[in-house]
Amino acid sequence: QVQLVQSGAEVKKPGSSVKVSCKASGGTFRNYAIGWVRQAPGQGLEWMGGVIPIFATANYAQNFQDRVTITADESTSTAYMELSSLRSEDTAVYYCAQLPGANLWGSWFDPWGQGTLVTVSS
Amino acid sequence: QSVLTQPPSVSGAPGQRVTISCTGSSSNIGAGYDVHWYQQLPGTAPKLLIYGDTSRPSGVSDRFSGSKSGTSASLAITGLQAEDEAEYYCQSYDSSLSGYVVFGGGTKLTVL
Repeated sequence: QVQLVQSGAEVKKPGSSVKVSCKASGGTFRNYAIGWVRQAPGQGLEWMGGVIPIFATANYAQNFQDRVTITADESTSTAYMELSSLRSEDTAVYYCAQLPGANLWGSWFDPWGQGTLVTVSS
Repeated sequence: QSVLTQPPSVSGAPGQRVTISCTGSSSNIGAGYDVHWYQQLPGTAPKLLIYGDTSRPSGVSDRFSGSKSGTSASLAITGLQAEDEAEYYCQSYDSSLSGYVVFGGGTKLTVL
């Protein structure tokens, strides 16, 4: 059973960047897409984008296209999400989650990482 | 505003049956794309409850079931238990430019 473990909480200044990691263990990392979803305090889930390690390709939600970069390092079975030009509205818990195949579309997310709280504050 | 619309809250007494709706459009649920459901307990990550409209992952109670018709999907929970109190989200795919992966706004289930 795959387990996803994310990096720890971050506090960032407005205008800076944050990079969150998501390390997979217990499965074949390269064959499964990894998606990133965020959840602002008291709010719902918002998809940001995802990466397919075996193809080294990423796709992003339109809302984040200009500010997010999602990558995967097969050598360490780790996916990364970097968000730039941070503003207070980016304060949220960021989750990574695996999809059941090498495809970002139409599929479900399972399992999920434990989440990483990113706080943007001056 | 979420692409998929869910009621903000539903409630039921222990042992009762409740349903949570998820309404979309012709570019997502109505186009035939699968609907998936998640349960999120307070302070925890979402957990997959239903995938592919009606399938349950191993380990998920058969008290949870999913259905889909037209541009809407539903999650039904029977024999309501106190531990079912959580937030529930639907998720699908949208072929328009707005999102690709889309979630409902979430429904808070309260067990009375």
